[in-house]
Amino acid sequence: AQSVAQPEDQVNVAEGNPLTVKCTYSVSGNPYLFWYVQYPNRGLQFLLKYITGDNLVKGSYGFEAEFNKSQTSFHLKKPSALVSDSALYFCAVPAVGSYQLTFGKGTKLSVIP
Amino acid sequence: DSGVTQTPKHLITATGQRVTLRCSPRSGDLSVYWYQQSLDQGLQFLIQYYNGEERAKGNILERFSAQQFPDLHSELNLSSLELGDSALYFCASSSSGSADTQYFGPGTRLTVL
Repeated sequence: AQSVAQPEDQVNVAEGNPLTVKCTYSVSGNPYLFWYVQYPNRGLQFLLKYITGDNLVKGSYGFEAEFNKSQTSFHLKKPSALVSDSALYFCAVPAVGSYQLTFGKGTKLSVIP
Repeated sequence: DSGVTQTPKHLITATGQRVTLRCSPRSGDLSVYWYQQSLDQGLQFLIQYYNGEERAKGNILERFSAQQFPDLHSELNLSSLELGDSALYFCASSSSGSADTQYFGPGTRLTVL
């Protein structure tokens, strides 16, 4: 079964510093991988996805993610964190065939002013 | 705004009752997914419909059912409610049901007292 893992429950970073939110995956075949963000009392917003091609994927709000096949990782990154980036971040992988998403447990990002 | 709408936003009811959650997908999207988000279980897939037909089932209880209507809106019916059913219920839609991006609605927060 396709799965993802987010090893950190919480990440704290100072405003203006680079941020990384980690995700590792376990899939059969070519992976499709997604990142979503959830702000308090809001739904999930799509950030970016990897299907194939360039290992560096650019997404919304200045976020990018690096696909690394040898390390089976898909870490979310941003060069300079904003306080408004504070939210819950989910990595996800679709199931084979029906494509429903399996989510990681989420990582709470806190950007400190 | 993802273009996916869900009603109601909040629902408070008593144990043993039955409720219906409604979802309207983005214009043109044929696939609708339902997810449950709770503190202890995280984000879990419940059920998927594609163009009116059930395509996949996840961890959906027998007390729960869903359907997708000819106009492509979907309803999730929850019956014989228990305290543990209190959660955020999200609907997501995608264009074709493949590994296309799923866009999420704002969710319905269900509280069972």
